[in-house]
Amino acid sequence: SQQGEEDPQALSIQEGENATMNCSYKTSINNLQWYRQNSGRGLVHLILIRSNEREKHSGRLRVTLDTSKKSSSLLITASRAADTASYFCGKGNEKLTFGTGTRLTIIP
Amino acid sequence: DVKVTQSSRYLVKRTGEKVFLECVQDMDHENMFWYRQDPGLGLRLIYFSYDVKMKEKGDIPEGYSVSREKKERFSLILESASTNQTSMYLCASSLGPGTYLSSYEQYFGPGTRLTVT
Repeated sequence: SQQGEEDPQALSIQEGENATMNCSYKTSINNLQWYRQNSGRGLVHLILIRSNEREKHSGRLRVTLDTSKKSSSLLITASRAADTASYFCGKGNEKLTFGTGTRLTIIP
Repeated sequence: DVKVTQSSRYLVKRTGEKVFLECVQDMDHENMFWYRQDPGLGLRLIYFSYDVKMKEKGDIPEGYSVSREKKERFSLILESASTNQTSMYLCASSLGPGTYLSSYEQYFGPGTRLTVT
């Protein structure tokens, strides 16, 4: 099973600060994806990173992947109130396995 | 823009009823998925399909079945609803084909919150 975890489970920061959340997994993977979920809605894709990549950027988002440690991190820089959401990583090979997510709250 | 729609946002059913959850995508995606989301358990894959009339069990298929008669539509069926199937159900789709479905970003619908009483 690929049931790794995101941590922390919850994170509250001031607007303008950076937010970092982590995702771990247990067995080798080909791909890892980060998603955002606003309360009561579906997930929205943020970034896909492949096992042969170490870092990817998209706007204020930066994702790193360390295959030796079987972990990934998502950094959101200069956070905004609109970034308040839950963030999930999906990892795997044939299919994605999701964890329980990190609940991020941005305090205005 | 890819659009994935689900037939209901909220649904209340009685124990023992047969329940159909419908999902439609408009981007000609090969792959479609059904997940359920529960507090403390995250998203768990119920079934997925990589082609019309094809289906594969996910991690928690017990108590569910699926149907994919047309490429754009993927239905989740609860043959006899039970209270432990009260959950948020999320449908998703992605491009294919390929062995590694994890290579493709998934587009999610808004979810159906099902309550079984």
